Amino acid sequence: EADIYQTPRYLVIGTGKKITLECSQTMGHDKMYWYQQDPGMELHLIHYSYGVNSTEKGDLSSESTVSRIRTEHFPLTLESARPSHTSQYLCASSESASGSPFSTDTQYFGPGTRLTVL
Amino acid sequence: KNQVEQSPQSLIILEGKNCTLQCNYTVSPFSNLRWYKQDTGRGPVSLTIMTFSENTKSNGRYTATLDADTKQSSLHITASQLSDSASYICVVSDRGSTLGRLYFGRGTQLTVWP
Repeated sequence: EADIYQTPRYLVIGTGKKITLECSQTMGHDKMYWYQQDPGMELHLIHYSYGVNSTEKGDLSSESTVSRIRTEHFPLTLESARPSHTSQYLCASSESASGSPFSTDTQYFGPGTRLTVL
Repeated sequence: KNQVEQSPQSLIILEGKNCTLQCNYTVSPFSNLRWYKQDTGRGPVSLTIMTFSENTKSNGRYTATLDADTKQSSLHITASQLSDSASYICVVSDRGSTLGRLYFGRGTQLTVWP
């Protein structure tokens, strides 16, 4: 069982609210990721981080933002939630490897946050 | 366009039976292929990882095969158990010039009935 945690597990919120999804890992991994997953669909990378003070946008355009002030913590923020943001958000981490952030690392996933925006 | 296609989309089998899930990919250049298991409401958990030179890899009752020439992989589950009910996701990594990327399949939803 990977030591990566996400809170809250479920969130139902009204349109226009600001929300922050928390993700923490205790494995000391340098790389962390945020994915978005809709039912029956593939995971889409929305943000990733190589390490502290490093954040990059992923393949899927997202109105969310992330920060990486501490190695173990990678929160995702939506300034103004909309119904189109309704989805499952998965956080993952992997050990550092030279070059590509993805090539041989096994990613360890958190349990996810299921977000519903009314 | 790099893609990962999985079949079948869903599968129902009886407890104790074997099953095989398929993954076809067009990702190039190829780096490695992973199979993940995702229980409902949970994050994916890695089952196996195979590089170009590996044809088969086992993890308990799970055996993955890879044919890099035809760009096909399979995941065989032996003597299925109720706890095998989950979505099984095929993930292929490329060897991009600057960033290796992961390409995710949509998964096969396996249901094991008693």
